[in-house]
Amino acid sequence: AQSVTQPDIHITVSEGASLELRCNYSYGATPYLFWYVQSPGQGLQLLLKYFSGDTLVQGIKGFEAEFKRSQSSFNLRKPSVHWSDAAEYFCAVGAGGGADGLTFGKGTHLIIQP
Amino acid sequence: DGGITQSPKYLFRKEGQNVTLSCEQNLNHDAMYWYRQDPGQGLRLIYYSQIVNDFQKGDIAEGYSVSREKKESFPLTVTSAQKNPTAFYLCASNPTGFYEKLFFGSGTQLSVL
Repeated sequence: AQSVTQPDIHITVSEGASLELRCNYSYGATPYLFWYVQSPGQGLQLLLKYFSGDTLVQGIKGFEAEFKRSQSSFNLRKPSVHWSDAAEYFCAVGAGGGADGLTFGKGTHLIIQP
Repeated sequence: DGGITQSPKYLFRKEGQNVTLSCEQNLNHDAMYWYRQDPGQGLRLIYYSQIVNDFQKGDIAEGYSVSREKKESFPLTVTSAQKNPTAFYLCASNPTGFYEKLFFGSGTQLSVL
């Protein structure tokens, strides 16, 4: 069975600074990887996904993530954060097939300092 | 506008009471899902349905029930057997059930009185 670890429960970043959120997964084959964002009291929105091909994927809102097989990681990055990026971020991994097979991490809460 | 509508946004349950959370989508998606979210936890799958009149248990189905009588509707009932129902409940859908973009509703916060 697959698993996802987001090592940072909270991260505080100054507005305009760069951001990296960590995600490590455990899965025996090539995983399907996702990053979702959740604003308070709202549902999740897909930022980006990796299925195959180029290991650097671009998403919405200026986010990108890099798949590193050797490190079993799929870290999310943004060069310059905005106050509106404050939210909860979830990494998810899947084994292929239906979305019932998705495993979500516990999330990283991003705080933006003015 | 197409999307997923969950209602109510806030719901309170008394001891021994069953409550039903509504989820409606007008995206014409085949697959629908119910997740439970607890503070500091990821999403856990309760039930899912890939086609009308069929649904499957997820990882934490005990104390919950669902129905899928119409393509656009997937209500979740939290029964009295669910001893710890306080959580944020999210409904989601995707077009075919396979690895594509999940669309989420805005959630229902259920609390116990």
